[in-house]
Amino acid sequence: SYELTQPPSVSVSPGQTARITCSGDALPKQYAYWYQQKPGQAPVLVIYKDSERPSGIPERFSGSSSGTTVTLTISGVQAEDEADYYCQSADSSGTVFGGGTKLTVL
Amino acid sequence: QVQLQESGPGLVKPSQTLSLTCTVSGGSISSGGYYWSWIRQHPGKGLEWIGYIYYSGSTYYNPSLKSRVTISVDTSKNQFSLKLSSVTAADTAVYYCARALIVDSYYFDYWGQGTLVTVSS
Repeated sequence: SYELTQPPSVSVSPGQTARITCSGDALPKQYAYWYQQKPGQAPVLVIYKDSERPSGIPERFSGSSSGTTVTLTISGVQAEDEADYYCQSADSSGTVFGGGTKLTVL
Repeated sequence: QVQLQESGPGLVKPSQTLSLTCTVSGGSISSGGYYWSWIRQHPGKGLEWIGYIYYSGSTYYNPSLKSRVTISVDTSKNQFSLKLSSVTAADTAVYYCARALIVDSYYFDYWGQGTLVTVSS
């Protein structure tokens, strides 16, 4: 199996743009998905197929892909966006999650 | 609205078998198009995929846990289950059941609330 690498933490002030990266050798061939997890809660899907946003997810959440790196961008960060974010990908070997990134809103 | 709910003992003794069940409501496991999955999260740590089952009974497990994991499905009860044998303290975690939608690849669109399982004597 392969690995997905995320930065452990990202900090931004309210209203700024947060970018969380996820790197993995398989990402040029596989879609990536992003989940938001708040303390004591189950993860929630925020981006699927690299850049698609599920219904009910605010437009400030977006995703992009370039080579071996995918990026979750949160524009105009709000206090409620403070959470852990995980990328995920899947291939014939199964599913892999990134280690997670804690987003702190200063 | 699909809902998933985990159930099972919150405390398991070392060397015993951890057993959890996920009950699905608002949708049928037999409808196809989904993998029914187990994922765990060690305290303060990230997510670890355990494995999944298709309604037909086909399974796929995380290679690191494969020797100890069994996932089964009971379509008549709309449930699927996890058994993890020979547990140690390292298996203490919050265990989630989740539905994975199969589209091109697959991703987890519905999750249970999670249940904490502690391995201790």
